[in-house]
Amino acid sequence: DIQLTQSPSFLSASVGDRVTITCRASQGISSYLAWYQQKPGKAPKVLIYAASTLQSGVPSRFSGSGSGTEFTLTISSLQPEDFATYYCQQFNRYPITFGQGTRLEIK
Amino acid sequence: EVQLVESGGGLVQPGGSLRLSCAVSGFTFSSYWMSWVRQAPGKGLEWVANIKPDGSEKYYVDSVKGRFTISRDNAKNSLYLQINNLRAEDTAVYYCASLDYYGSGSHYYYYMDVWGKGTTVTVSS
Repeated sequence: DIQLTQSPSFLSASVGDRVTITCRASQGISSYLAWYQQKPGKAPKVLIYAASTLQSGVPSRFSGSGSGTEFTLTISSLQPEDFATYYCQQFNRYPITFGQGTRLEIK
Repeated sequence: EVQLVESGGGLVQPGGSLRLSCAVSGFTFSSYWMSWVRQAPGKGLEWVANIKPDGSEKYYVDSVKGRFTISRDNAKNSLYLQINNLRAEDTAVYYCASLDYYGSGSHYYYYMDVWGKGTTVTVSS
C-alpha cells in the first residue's frame, strides 16, 4: 500500500499568514494526488486535484504543487474560514489512501 | 442541485449487519464512479470501496474485504454498502462520494468531487 505522511500534523497560525503543508508518498504517484479540507462535523471538500489543479469555486489563495513523492498545499494568506483539517489523498493505485491529516488552528 | 444523501446507519451489535444507502440527485449517476469513505470518531479519513459506473468493477480496502459489499442501482440513482459481521472498529461516519476526473488518454486524475453528509454506524454491545 502507498503510505502518505503529512507534516506537520498540527499547525497553529494567524490570519494573514502563509502556510504550507507537505504530503510525502512512500512511492512515486506521479500527480495522482488530491487535497481536501474538512471542518468539524462536515464532509470533506476537494480543494486541489491532479496535484496542482484548483477545483472550481475554491479561492485562489489555495495552491498545490509537487509530483512523484513530495507534494505541498499552500495557503497564501490565511482567512478565518480556512481553519480546518486538511488531508491529501492518492489515486495512483488501489487501495486509495489518505494522509493522516493536518489540523490548522488559530494562534 | 447535486445532492448525495446517506441513510441506514445505526447502533448494531458486534457480528450484526447493516445496509447503507446513498440517494443521488442532480447529476447523471450512471456515468460516475462512486466511493464509500469512513471516518472513525476523532480519526482521519479511510477509503472503503469504489464501484465503476456500470457496477462491473469493485475495489475494497483490505480490512473490509469479505465483509462489505458495494453495489449500485442506476435505475434508482442509488449506491449501497452492505456491511456484515460488524466489528467495533467499523464504528464510524460513512460518507458516499462521487468521483470526477481530469485528463484523457492514459492519464485520468480522479478526485472525490461531491460528498454526502454521512451516516453514523456504531457497533457496540
